[in-house]
Amino acid sequence: GIQVEQSPPDLILQEGANSTLRCNFSDSVNNLQWFHQNPWGQLINLFYIPSGTKQNGRLSATTVATERYSLLYISSSQTTDSGVYFCAVDPNNNDMRFGAGTRLTVKP
Amino acid sequence: DSGVTQTPKHLITATGQRVTLRCSPRSGDLSVYWYQQSLDQGLQFLIQYYNGEERAKGNILERFSAQQFPDLHSELNLSSLELGDSALYFCASSVGVGGNTIYFGEGSWLTVV
Repeated sequence: GIQVEQSPPDLILQEGANSTLRCNFSDSVNNLQWFHQNPWGQLINLFYIPSGTKQNGRLSATTVATERYSLLYISSSQTTDSGVYFCAVDPNNNDMRFGAGTRLTVKP
Repeated sequence: DSGVTQTPKHLITATGQRVTLRCSPRSGDLSVYWYQQSLDQGLQFLIQYYNGEERAKGNILERFSAQQFPDLHSELNLSSLELGDSALYFCASSVGVGGNTIYFGEGSWLTVV
């Protein structure tokens, strides 16, 4: 099956710093989403981005489908950005396969 | 609020017991997905239903079963529970079967003691 690799596995930042999270996938996909899981366990949808670039406030994402990777940019990080960021892909219109996540800690 | 409703939010039960988790999808969504998140296995896809029919099956144990009812709500039944079944169970929904944003509920925390 499709492999989804996220890097780095852990990231510690000072408040105000910028960061880039990466997601590599091993096959073509019909769907790619980025999620943020907050400390209470909620999975919050950030972007639906099978290709191209999107921005939402301090967050933006880019997917280069032909090269099978996606990047999530977080600018001017805040403590509320802490949590785990997941990339999930759907190769066959059936289900989303998740990467292992990047655990982000933003320190005040 | 994603619009996906899951109940119960927390559940503690004993080994060998059976529990039912319930999910109401977002209004207008026909697809329902179930996922299990445990510390050692990460987020694992269990099963997908589309408009009442099973569409895809992932790493779902034979002790687990699910269904989607005519009103599109779904239930996940977990039986002969073991300690290792303790996990956060998510329901998600989407409009169709692919190429759509998938929205997750808040999850049901299951603890088996």
